[in-house]
Amino acid sequence: DTGVSQNPRHKITKRGQNVTFRCDPISEHNRLYWYRQTLGQGPEFLTYFQNEAQLEKSRLLSDRFSAERPKGSFSTLEIQRTEQGDSAMYLCASSSVGGTEAFFGQGTRLTVV
Amino acid sequence: GEDVEQSLFLSVREGDSSVINCTYTDSSSTYLYWYKQEPGAGLQLLTYIFSNMDMKQDQRLTVLLNKKDKHLSLRIADTQTGDSAIYFCAESPYNFNKFYFGSGTKLNVKP
Repeated sequence: DTGVSQNPRHKITKRGQNVTFRCDPISEHNRLYWYRQTLGQGPEFLTYFQNEAQLEKSRLLSDRFSAERPKGSFSTLEIQRTEQGDSAMYLCASSSVGGTEAFFGQGTRLTVV
Repeated sequence: GEDVEQSLFLSVREGDSSVINCTYTDSSSTYLYWYKQEPGAGLQLLTYIFSNMDMKQDQRLTVLLNKKDKHLSLRIADTQTGDSAIYFCAESPYNFNKFYFGSGTKLNVKP
């Protein structure tokens, strides 16, 4: 198992464009989380899936953000009409149901210019 | 009850022990975690402790939990330059639907 994989690692986009990030969790991990981390801060929770069901969303997840996990395996996070304030590291994590440990990917660093 | 607080910086000399502190407010927290983040990288899980424990030791790492004061600490024995990183404290409620993180403590290890 290679751990949680995120693609791309870096993304530079112009303001107003849409971007999509992908997360491949550890095999057979039912839980998947998205977090956002800005410079000098800890990760902030965005959303949580158990299998394909999105069970919780943060108030940080505005209507420009949408996350999916269609088959309960990989997940995508899309940001529409990006703004400069969206520049951050987007982190994905996964864990198993009943498991106590969440494992993070390397993150996707988004820069909106 | 989602605030997790950490001091921002800690500087130690190589070979000394480091102690990183964290306080949290959510009394329903079930598990408490320590993660390490190196520059430009994701978070690496170091260790965690269940809320009914007072202490957990794992090689050079010792976690102490004072549940009454909602205080968590991470002690790194024989600190090495490779331990230089940002350390995050995190807590999770019983259903693990999310993790709340502190702002991180930047550990600088001087040779």
